[in-house]
Amino acid sequence: GNSVTQMEGPVTLSEEAFLTINCTYTATGYPSLFWYVQYPGEGLQLLLKATKADDKGSNKGFEATYRKETTSFHLEKGSVQVSDSAVYFCALPMNSGGYQKVTFGTGTKLQVIP
Amino acid sequence: NAGVTQTPKFQVLKTGQSMTLQCAQDMNHEYMSWYRQDPGMGLRLIHYSVGAGITDQGEVPNGYNVSRSTTEDFPLRLLSAAPSQTSVYFCASTQGAGGGYTFGSGTRLTVV
Repeated sequence: GNSVTQMEGPVTLSEEAFLTINCTYTATGYPSLFWYVQYPGEGLQLLLKATKADDKGSNKGFEATYRKETTSFHLEKGSVQVSDSAVYFCALPMNSGGYQKVTFGTGTKLQVIP
Repeated sequence: NAGVTQTPKFQVLKTGQSMTLQCAQDMNHEYMSWYRQDPGMGLRLIHYSVGAGITDQGEVPNGYNVSRSTTEDFPLRLLSAAPSQTSVYFCASTQGAGGGYTFGSGTRLTVV
């Protein structure tokens, strides 16, 4: 079945450090891939997405490239800020009987310290 | 603001009590879902709906009921609360076609 594996956290970085959060997936076909972000006390928000192989999604300085050959969708940011502290979820949507079922990773908590 | 509205934000129940978590969206989305979020387990799908009058079970449906009488509303009912249902519950909606989900801000439920 479909699955998503994320690196375990928490990840603690100093402000302006480089961020990578690894995500790999298992799926039939070539699904879209998403990253969601959850700030403390809030629901998940869509951060970025890619709909086909070699696509790069980007938003708020974050980027992720859909790599079919390594089945990966790693999240990166060149210089993190304290305001980026949150939990990040990799997600794999698949159409199933007319419904878009989404498999979420377990989440990676990022803490950025000044 | 347009989006998904969940009420209440916090709730404490005694074992055996029943209650309904409310969810409403104003984006005319056809697809709506309920998830629960537990530490170390990510989000797990409880029930979902592909349109008014159509619902189906997700991964962890036991102990929960849903109905979808209108496009806007998708309430989740706990029939007889158990401590294992202590969790944070999220309602989400999407227009489908790879558009991504819009989530509510969640309901933190504690069953004692």
